[in-house]
Amino acid sequence: DAKTTQPPSMDCAEGRAANLPCNHSTISGNEYVYWYRQIHSQGPQYIIHGLKNNETNEMASLIITEDRKSSTLILPHATLRDTAVYYCIVRAEYGNKLVFGAGTILRVKS
Amino acid sequence: ETGVTQSPTHLIKTRGQQVTLRCSSQSGHNTVSWYQQALGQGPQFIFQYYREEENGRGNFPPRFSGLQFPNYSSELNVNALELDDSALYLCASRRRPGGLDNEQFFGPGTRLTVL
Repeated sequence: DAKTTQPPSMDCAEGRAANLPCNHSTISGNEYVYWYRQIHSQGPQYIIHGLKNNETNEMASLIITEDRKSSTLILPHATLRDTAVYYCIVRAEYGNKLVFGAGTILRVKS
Repeated sequence: ETGVTQSPTHLIKTRGQQVTLRCSSQSGHNTVSWYQQALGQGPQFIFQYYREEENGRGNFPPRFSGLQFPNYSSELNVNALELDDSALYLCASRRRPGGLDNEQFFGPGTRLTVL
């Protein structure tokens, strides 16, 4: 599985959009980009995934660059409950494991 | 729909002892994975079970072993506990071993402390 690079921490004002970047320059053609988050003392929670097209669901939007070497997770209106560690993961379609890095600590402040 | 549950929530053991952690998968899920999360780090994949057999393993020694039962619940066993085994142990279940639209749902974890 390709490795990912994320900033260690970010701050965001409540109600504003949170944009979390991820670099995955060694991603291969059959690998997808996944995002999970982990709120303190809980298990990781799936957010969204994509291959090459931008994706949106009720939680977030995922923007993947045309060369697929980087992506951005967007939380459109961050709330205090969005404070968590966000993990960007690259995984093949039939991969049986998630390879977590250190993630980005997002702090949403009022 | 019942989510992934784990027991116990907390556990304290001493070095050299053995421990068993338990996980009940989400309804409709037949595949279970276990992860170890040391303090301040991301979760690390231990192994996955499908149809009661190990179906993939991470870089963990043989003293980490598991079982999956016909009802898809699972156990993680760790023998000869070491201080470095202190961590949050996470169980995750999914509908099948791989493929898309088949995300892993994690339980709340078991916090193991080895003294």
